[in-house]
This record gives sequence, structure tokens and C-alpha cells, in this order.
Amino acid sequence: GAGVSQSPSNKVTEKGKDVELRCDPISGHTALYWYRQSLGQGLEFLIYFQGNSAPDKSGLPSDRFSAERTGGSVSTLTIQRTQQEDSAVYLCASSPPGRANSPLHFGNGTRLTVT
Amino acid sequence: QKEVEQNSGPLSVPEGAIASLNCTYSDRVSQSFFWYRQYSGKSPELIMSIYSNGDKEDGRFTAQLNKASQYVSLLIRDSQPSDSATYLCAVGVPALNNDMRFGAGTRLTVKP
Repeated sequence: GAGVSQSPSNKVTEKGKDVELRCDPISGHTALYWYRQSLGQGLEFLIYFQGNSAPDKSGLPSDRFSAERTGGSVSTLTIQRTQQEDSAVYLCASSPPGRANSPLHFGNGTRLTVT
Repeated sequence: QKEVEQNSGPLSVPEGAIASLNCTYSDRVSQSFFWYRQYSGKSPELIMSIYSNGDKEDGRFTAQLNKASQYVSLLIRDSQPSDSATYLCAVGVPALNNDMRFGAGTRLTVKP
């Protein structure tokens, strides 16, 4: 079966523009996570979905960041008025239902560059 | 205090040696613990999961969990140059609706 799919794989945008990053999780996975990873750094938590609801949005760095998930499947992370410090790799991961905290399956990420 | 802490390294070991990676966590009621390996420019991939106190072995990898001391470790026996990567510790955080938080990672280099 297909793994977690993220698109686009690379995105270059001008400062001030809005961008949308897409994550298509593994079919049947109810939990979906967004992380951000700057060059040489660890994973910075952004937001976590359980189904369509987001019990933990605490990692979103500012109100320019938002995310939604529809139909318990695809999620979109939107960054408005992008800034250069938003440049990073944005990783999406999903995990199956059942046991709390099943291992995460990561997508290949979207590399965002804000010029 | 960070929820999950790791020594950032770098950790360098000779080929064939044992590499020992450590991680501490702050939420005493955490129940799920994971080690991921991340090669440069790639996404993290799961190596080990551990849920109970004690040791769990899988090939050359052994995960060790001590909930009383709130630490989890990863041992890599007979280290190979292909083990050179960043190793990420991840912990399920019940206080955060069973969210998953990662340490900053330890960079391991295995020298031939």
C-alpha cells in the first residue's frame, strides 16, 4: 500500500505570499501530525489531528499558520504571508487507530524556501 | 524543561563498537517510546518501539526503558558505517492528548 504522501515536494515562494502544503496519510490512519524541521535541527511539533479534530494546536508558531483535515484523511497546512524564517522541511506523519501512540509513518516532506 | 531531551552529539564510535544513545523525558505517565533513524536529507524511519520497562532486542539494536528514572536508551552493537545518522527519541505524551514529541536528535558517526 501507499505510504504518506506529501505535496509539493519542493516549494519556492516569495516573502509575503501564502502557501498550502498537502498531506495524504495512509488509508485508515486516524492520527495525523505536522512537524517542521529546519536545517540541522530536530523536529518541531506544529499540530496533531485525531480524526478531523485537532486536540493540540499548541505548536503552531503564529496565527499565520493554520491547518485543517477533512473526511478524516487529507490535511492541508496553510502559511499566510510567508517569512524567510518559515523556510524549513515540513513533515507530515500518520499513525493507525487502536493503541495510543502507535509508531508514526512519515512522508518525504515538503521543502519550503521563502526568498 | 523540554519534554524530551537528548544529547545532540555528535557521537563518534569506531566500526564494530557499541553505540549508546540516551534520552530523558519529563511526563512521568508517558507509556510509549520510540527510536527513529534519520539519514541526512531523508525522513525519519522507525527503528524500535518500547512500552514496558526493561530491554527489547531487535537484531543489533536494543532499546532500554526505565520509567522510574524516566529515561530510554538505544544500544547499537557491532556498529557499521551505514548506521551513521541522526537518531531521534520520541515519546507519547498523555497530558497532551497522546501527542508525540521528539527530542532534538543525536548525530552518530561510525568511523571505518
